Amino acid sequence: GAGVSQSPSNKVTEKGKDVELRCDPISGHTALYWYRQRLGQGLEFLIYFQGNSAPDKSGLPSDRFSAERTGESVSTLTIQRTQQEDSAVYLCASSFSRQGTQYFGPGTRLTVL
Amino acid sequence: ILNVEQSPQSLHVQEGDSTNFTCSFPSSNFYALHWYRWETAKSPEALFVMTLNGDEKKKGRISATLNTKEGYSYLYIKGSQPEDSATYLCASAYNTDKLIFGTGTRLQVFP
Repeated sequence: GAGVSQSPSNKVTEKGKDVELRCDPISGHTALYWYRQRLGQGLEFLIYFQGNSAPDKSGLPSDRFSAERTGESVSTLTIQRTQQEDSAVYLCASSFSRQGTQYFGPGTRLTVL
Repeated sequence: ILNVEQSPQSLHVQEGDSTNFTCSFPSSNFYALHWYRWETAKSPEALFVMTLNGDEKKKGRISATLNTKEGYSYLYIKGSQPEDSATYLCASAYNTDKLIFGTGTRLQVFP
């Protein structure tokens, strides 16, 4: 069956530009998470959506980062005025419920020059 | 703030060795404990989900146990192989919060 998909798979951008990353979760999954992995680091939580509840934004590193989700479908993560320290692999995951198994997408590798 | 801890941070073993690592988590309002396997250049994949105290799960040479009263889980790998090299993540789920991941144990198995 269809898994979590993310686009683009790779993005190279110049410092100061805005980027938008997309995640298509598994159909029917109410929970959606964004994480990132910077070089040599572990999994870093960014933001969590659960159904129609207000998102948990506690992991966003600065106000340059924002995310949206339309209902229980697609989510976009936007990074404004990108900095070199934003370079990372951005992973999206979805699950049936808050406590359920998370299914990860293949990630978007972002490189900020 | 809920904190999930894993130890050791990294582990190097020889092919054929058996190994184990620990995940510690707050036990209040506990709902489930997950283990994920994360290979380099890939995305994390779920190994086990356990909910009950005393639960044991097994998948091939990998097994896991759960103690919800004291808040820990062990992951065991019997007869490690080079293809077992990966970061092993645990994550704890609660009735009142999202899934919380630990920082992982990085395992390298040398031939």
